[in-house]
Amino acid sequence: AQSVTQPDIHITVSEGASLELRCNYSYGATPYLFWYVQSPGQGLQLLLKYFSGDTLVQGIKGFEAEFKRSQSSFNLRKPSVHWSDAAEYFCAVGASSGYSTLTFGKGTMLLVS
Amino acid sequence: DTGVSQNPRHKITKRGQNVTFRCDPISEHNRLYWYRQTLGQGPEFLTYFQNEAQLEKSRLLSDRFSAERPKGSFSTLEIQRTEQGDSAMYLCASSLTRQGGSGTEAFFGQGTRLTVV
Repeated sequence: AQSVTQPDIHITVSEGASLELRCNYSYGATPYLFWYVQSPGQGLQLLLKYFSGDTLVQGIKGFEAEFKRSQSSFNLRKPSVHWSDAAEYFCAVGASSGYSTLTFGKGTMLLVS
Repeated sequence: DTGVSQNPRHKITKRGQNVTFRCDPISEHNRLYWYRQTLGQGPEFLTYFQNEAQLEKSRLLSDRFSAERPKGSFSTLEIQRTEQGDSAMYLCASSLTRQGGSGTEAFFGQGTRLTVV
């Protein structure tokens, strides 16, 4: 069974500082990996996705993520955080057979000071 | 707005009552998913449809839960005899899947927040 671990429940970053949110996945085959962001009381918005090819993927709002197969990781990064980035971030994995159902991590709440 | 639409946005109900939620997907999307999100957790998969066919159901979907997607357009999720443990955000998502496995990612609605008192 596939699973996702986001080890940090909360992270606080100063505005303008860099950000890295950690995500580790467990999946037997090549995974489809996603990062979603959720503002309070809202649905989820896709930031970026990885299916194959270049292991460094660019997303919206200046976010990027790097797929590292050897570490089973897909960490999200941003070089300079803005106050509007404060939200909850979810990493998710899908089956390699296509755009299937997703398994989400428990999320990391980003606070910007 | 052509995104995924969910109604109602909020629902408060008494324990034991039945509730029904509606999801209108993006019009050309053939797949529709239901997820449940409880406080402090990520969304958990409940069920999904390809057109009108319900192809997969999670073990989380007890027999008090039923979902339909008549005519492959909008979907409803009904919970019968609600319990306090059903209190959660119910999220709907849709995607387009083409033959060969290509398609779009899942686009999520804003959810229906259910509170059972």
